[in-house]
Amino acid sequence: AQSVTQLDSQVPVFEEAPVELRCNYSSSVSVYLFWYVQYPNQGLQLLLKYLSGSTLVESINGFEAEFNKSQTSFHLRKPSVHISDTAEYFCAVDTGRRALTFGSGTRLQVQP
Amino acid sequence: NAGVTQTPKFQVLKTGQSMTLQCAQDMNHNSMYWYRQDPGMGLRLIYYSASEGTTDKGEVPNGYNVSRLNKREFSLRLESAAPSQTSVYFCASTTGYEQYFGPGTRLTVT
Repeated sequence: AQSVTQLDSQVPVFEEAPVELRCNYSSSVSVYLFWYVQYPNQGLQLLLKYLSGSTLVESINGFEAEFNKSQTSFHLRKPSVHISDTAEYFCAVDTGRRALTFGSGTRLQVQP
Repeated sequence: NAGVTQTPKFQVLKTGQSMTLQCAQDMNHNSMYWYRQDPGMGLRLIYYSASEGTTDKGEVPNGYNVSRLNKREFSLRLESAAPSQTSVYFCASTTGYEQYFGPGTRLTVT
């Protein structure tokens, strides 16, 4: 069975500072990896995904994540955050069953 | 397109009552899912339906039943609600690797 660990439950950061949200997974098979974002009182939206190919994937709003197979990690980074990035971020893994296993989430709090 | 819709948005039940959460999608997706979200635990899969006419248990199916009424609709039923089922419930659908989520139903069982 697979599992996903998000090591930080909350990450406070000042506006325009860089941020990294950590995600590690365990699985004995090949995985597909995802980051979802949840704004207050809303459902989840896909931020970016790794299916195959380049291990560095990017979103349209400046986030990027790198798949590291040897370290079984898929950390999310942004070089300069905005107030509007305040949200909860979930890492998820799919082992091919098309059903996702989620981490417990990281609440990103961007302060002015 | 409305995407994934869920009804109701909020519900309060007493222990032992039953109710059905409704979910519909207009994206012609084959697969649909029910998750529950609890603080500090992320989302956990309750049931999913890979295609019309099929359903499978997820990580936390106890106390729930589902019906895939047709390709568009996937309902979740609580036969005898318990306080441990207080949660936010999300429905999702997909035809590939991106899951599209509904806005959620916030359920409180007293």
